[in-house]
Order: sequence, then C-alpha cells, then structure tokens
Amino acid sequence: EAAVTQSPRNKVTVTGGNVTLSCRQTNSHNYMYWYRQDTGHGLRLIHYSYGAGNLQIGDVPDGYKATRTTQEDFFLLLELASPSQTSLYFCASSDGGASQNTLYFGAGTRLSVL
Amino acid sequence: SQWGEENLQALSIQEGEDVTMNCSYKTYTTVVHWYRQDSGRGPALIILIRSNEREKRSGRLRATLDTSSQSSSLSITAAQCEDTAVYFCATDAGVVGQLTFGRGTRLQVYA
Repeated sequence: EAAVTQSPRNKVTVTGGNVTLSCRQTNSHNYMYWYRQDTGHGLRLIHYSYGAGNLQIGDVPDGYKATRTTQEDFFLLLELASPSQTSLYFCASSDGGASQNTLYFGAGTRLSVL
Repeated sequence: SQWGEENLQALSIQEGEDVTMNCSYKTYTTVVHWYRQDSGRGPALIILIRSNEREKRSGRLRATLDTSSQSSSLSITAAQCEDTAVYFCATDAGVVGQLTFGRGTRLQVYA
C-alpha cells in the first residue's frame, strides 16, 4: 500500500501569515500533487510535479507556491495567507502521470485562516 | 466547468438496494477514474475505466463509459452500510499529468 504522509494535520493561522504544508511519499513515485477540497467544489488541483525540482501549475494556483525538493518531499507554501485559503488540503502521489495511474492520497491537512 | 449538473447530488438508500451514480463531463478524456472518500480520509481509487472500454467490474461495483455522450456511471449492487462515502469521478481532459475531479456524490446507506 502506497504511503503518503502529510503534516501538520491541522493548522490555524492569521490573515497575512506564512504557512508551509508538507508531504512525503515513500513509494518512489515520480508524480506528486496538491489538491484543495471545499464543499461544493470537490477536489481542485493547485500544483503538481513530476520530479525533484519540477513544478507544474494546476487549475487554482493563485496565492500558492510549491517546491519539490526531493523525489519524496513536496511542499505547499502560502506566503500571505487569506481567509479564502481556508480549506482541506490533500497531497497525492502516482507512479507515472495521473491520467493512467492510481493516485494515492494522504490523510489531509485542515487549514484555517482567521 | 468541466462537469455537468448531475454530478452534484446526495443519495440515501436502504441496505440491499442497487444504486447508480452518474458523471458527465464536457472535455475529451482518455480515462475516467472513480474514487471513494470515507469520512476523515483521503480519496481512494475504486475503478479506472479507459476510453477504449465500455464497462469495468470490480466485485459489486460496475463502471460504464460512453465517450459519445461524454458520460460515465458507477453502480453498486446490493449496497452495504460500509458503502457509505462520497464518490468522485475524475477525468484527465487529455492532459497526462492532471486529473480533474467532479464535485462528488454523497451516498448514505442505512440499515
């Protein structure tokens, strides 16, 4: 079973704050993804990467940066957090592109921006 | 939006009944994924059906794909309480690295 670990599990910050969400996968997958989940919207892709040092823009990238430091580690950065970024964030990984392969999701990070 | 209106809904059925969830999409896709999400957890893949397949089965699950009408369905036979979850369809809109999720169908199965 693929393992994707997210930290922290819960985070509260204030408007304008700086937040980093972390994701680590131990399955040697080359693709990693960040999604946000909001009621009425399902999951929306923020950024994804197909290897260390690579970054691809998803469907809702505004206000987010991401960095893939190693094959295992993918970080999501909110440098000036806003209340609209209050959401449940999921990281996922896949062995090959998402289209033809299984996405393995972490347990999620719930972020509240006050 | 990539999705048709019927993708957003909630269903409540009794244990033992059959149920079908529908998903319609607006942009070409090479594949449709169906994921389920249990409360407090991340989504997990249950069926992946490719554009050259019309039907795929896995246990009590059956997925169909009609590329001409750009729609897919997921059926559960003899639903059990443990099938209670949110079910998402997802497509690639022709982009290899991306998967776009629908808004999901919340299924409640009661005893």
